[in-house]
Amino acid sequence: AQSVTQLDSHVSVSEGTPVLLRCNYSSSYSPSLFWYVQHPNKGLQLLLKYTSAATLVKGINGFEAEFKKSETSFHLTKPSAHMSDAAEYFCVVSDRGSTLGRLYFGRGTQLTVWP
Amino acid sequence: NAGVTQTPKFQVLKTGQSMTLQCAQDMNHEYMSWYRQDPGMGLRLIHYSVGAGITDQGEVPNGYNVSRSTTEDFPLRLLSAAPSQTSVYFCASSYSIIRQGLNSPLHFGNGTRLTVT
Repeated sequence: AQSVTQLDSHVSVSEGTPVLLRCNYSSSYSPSLFWYVQHPNKGLQLLLKYTSAATLVKGINGFEAEFKKSETSFHLTKPSAHMSDAAEYFCVVSDRGSTLGRLYFGRGTQLTVWP
Repeated sequence: NAGVTQTPKFQVLKTGQSMTLQCAQDMNHEYMSWYRQDPGMGLRLIHYSVGAGITDQGEVPNGYNVSRSTTEDFPLRLLSAAPSQTSVYFCASSYSIIRQGLNSPLHFGNGTRLTVT
């Protein structure tokens, strides 16, 4: 069975400090993993994806995530937060063993950035 | 290239009313899906389609119907609205879930905010 756990429902950081949003997953097969961002009153936008190439994945807006199979984690990081990063972030796992492409969403982490 | 377009943006229904949420994409995507987003619940899959004429149920299909007569359109029908269906609904599409090995990113619409009183 597949599932995604985002370990923090809320994260608050000061502008210019590092961001860490944590995600653990379970998957019966070799997974594809994604991070999406949602700004208020908007749809979700892809930040980055892991699909079994390099384990360190770089995304848009300076975000990156590292796939650690031994820890079943896919944490999202950014060295220096910007006010525009304030949004909700979703970790998503896709089971590549299934032919019908079910995606499993975490419950989201709300990121607040203080000036 | 408009991407994924959802209409309406907002809707208020009375219990028992029916309505259709529209979703259209102009990217020739094979895969389309409907999610509902509720506070603290993330996104939950309602129905999805891997191509015209093919639909299947997701996690929370009860109370909703879909059809996929064309590649571009994937409407979601609420047959008899209930207060539990108050939510934000997102339509999302992807190039091809099957051929791409499930690693194609989803393209989302901006959502429909539905209130059922």
